Amino acid sequence: KNEVEQSPQNLTAQEGEFITINCSYSVGISALHWLQQHPGGGIVSLFMLSSGKKKHGRLIATINIQEKHSSLHITASHPRDSAVYICAVGTNFGNEKLTFGTGTRLTIIP
Amino acid sequence: DADVTQTPRNRITKTGKRIMLECSQTKGHDRMYWYRQDPGLGLRLIYYSFDVKDINKGEISDGYSVSRQAQAKFSLSLESAIPNQTALYFCATSGPTSGRQETQYFGPGTRLLVL
Repeated sequence: KNEVEQSPQNLTAQEGEFITINCSYSVGISALHWLQQHPGGGIVSLFMLSSGKKKHGRLIATINIQEKHSSLHITASHPRDSAVYICAVGTNFGNEKLTFGTGTRLTIIP
Repeated sequence: DADVTQTPRNRITKTGKRIMLECSQTKGHDRMYWYRQDPGLGLRLIYYSFDVKDINKGEISDGYSVSRQAQAKFSLSLESAIPNQTALYFCATSGPTSGRQETQYFGPGTRLLVL
């Protein structure tokens, strides 16, 4: 079993819909990261969180440490949100080695 | 200009050839990483370096070597390329060393095809 599991693997939605991508992990972590990989391949860090909730624009990330689960939400989705969203966990404080999920491919249709 | 750059961006090579992928960063970070990405798999760590004198193997280091020439430069070499090393390779940086998790910043990737 992978240490980091994401669901769904693929998601297609209409523009304007509320999107939720889930990430579950099986180990104790120091922080969880959400990354966005654009169709051209570039990877950008969206959030790093170890508790609670963070918001940036239309993106919201939440984490439940007890349940070992995190969600990434996108409100008022737009075609430019189409990308692969990757969850990664770091398991040691001060040691930024990350274990990555396989990603969720999101397609937003106009 | 990009903070983390990789050269080349695309490379086609033949089995048995030695190739080097280069990564440079202007963020002043101590920590640098090399990952590979294969379809259907998550990013996997090849090597990482926490400073110029500190080089560590990741989970898939066989067939690869690295050199940390300076704080800003971290190169990945394939001594004798083989077709299953065909992948998308990413360099990343993080820092400063703080005793806690830090955001990683990724280069644009190098697409490598080994024939």
